[in-house]
Amino acid sequence: DSGVTQTPKHLITATGQRVTLRCSPRSGDLSVYWYQQSLDQGLQFLIQYYNGEERAKGNILERFSAQQFPDLHSELNLSSLELGDSALYFCASSVGNDQPQHFGDGTRLSIL
Amino acid sequence: QKEVEQDPGPLSVPEGAIVSLNCTYSNSAFQYFMWYRQYSRKGPELLMYTYSSGNKEDGRFTAQVDKSSKYISLFIRDSQPSDSATYLCAMSALSSGTYKYIFGTGTRLKVLA
Repeated sequence: DSGVTQTPKHLITATGQRVTLRCSPRSGDLSVYWYQQSLDQGLQFLIQYYNGEERAKGNILERFSAQQFPDLHSELNLSSLELGDSALYFCASSVGNDQPQHFGDGTRLSIL
Repeated sequence: QKEVEQDPGPLSVPEGAIVSLNCTYSNSAFQYFMWYRQYSRKGPELLMYTYSSGNKEDGRFTAQVDKSSKYISLFIRDSQPSDSATYLCAMSALSSGTYKYIFGTGTRLKVLA
């Protein structure tokens, strides 16, 4: 058990909808990272927050947004969903920027 | 060209074999190197973390980094069927004041009993 908790485990929705994925980092970790994993793209870094502030941005679409709250949990919002957004979404956390990341078990998003 | 290249496999070996997994990269700015193991339907699990050239050993696992050749390896000794999983290399670099994090696409390993 990595200590990183993601909810929900599975999400099924339709095109055009909006969903929110939630992540609770390990106790003591200030950084939260979001990744998308699909079969053809591998694990793609989306965005990082450190202690409530955005720190790094990867290949995140404009339809996606994230935030980290004062209690350090984070949410990833995906809107105007398309079939191609179907993937596993992982959250990871670490103590700091250059420290190893520990991953949750992901949310499997299926767009019908 | 991808910044990180990793052979997808699958790689099948008999139980007890020494396994060698490799990644090459093109960006010399990468400073931190990691290996993760991912079982089906689970999140990646950190195996090794290093930031310098050379070898780092942890139990049956040895991570090797050669920054001059832009090449990293993970060796698994006395491989077990429970080692069957996908292995991901990962690396990070500080670029223009922010970090970038890149993962390889993973190598599927199957250890046969």
